[in-house]
Amino acid sequence: KNQVEQSPQSLIILEGKNCTLQCNYTVSPFSNLRWYKQDTGRGPVSLTIMTFSENTKSNGRYTATLDADTKQSSLHITASQLSDSASYICVVSDDYKLSFGAGTTVTVRA
Amino acid sequence: NAGVTQTPKFRVLKTGQSMTLLCAQDMNHEYMYWYRQDPGMGLRLIHYSVGEGTTAKGEVPDGYNVSRLKKQNFLLGLESAAPSQTSVYFCASSYGERTSYEQYFGPGTRLTVT
Repeated sequence: KNQVEQSPQSLIILEGKNCTLQCNYTVSPFSNLRWYKQDTGRGPVSLTIMTFSENTKSNGRYTATLDADTKQSSLHITASQLSDSASYICVVSDDYKLSFGAGTTVTVRA
Repeated sequence: NAGVTQTPKFRVLKTGQSMTLLCAQDMNHEYMYWYRQDPGMGLRLIHYSVGEGTTAKGEVPDGYNVSRLKKQNFLLGLESAAPSQTSVYFCASSYGERTSYEQYFGPGTRLTVT
């Protein structure tokens, strides 16, 4: 069964600090991996997408990495802002099916 | 361009009642999806549609029905609501079937069944 595990479940950071979220998966065959940001009360919005051949992708202060050999990905948030408070969801896909992680809730405090 | 919209935003039902959730998209997407999101779990696919007039079962279809009479609309029905259907429901749409196409999500409907 395809699984996507995210850690930590939640974290609190001070504004301006960096943080890194982890995603481990067992999805096979692998097609792509996305990181989504979900604000409270809203739907998920895609931040990055990576295929097998890509090992890093940036979107502003968000940088995602992928190690397809160890089946691990990370999302690094640089110089966090209050608006980064959200749930971050790792989604790993084969060609036709998405497998969602449970998400990491990030709270940025002033 | 509103993207994906969902109505209602909130709803409380009593056990055994029925209701329909409406999803609308203005991006001319062929593919539409209904998911549920429960605490501590990833989104799970309920039903999906690959085009007007078509529907298919997803991972957790029991207790739900869907219809896609118009390309821009995808309806999710609960015929006899149960407390286990308390959840947040998200609709999504995409241009193509392959996962390389991004799915765009609506804002969600929070449903409570008492």
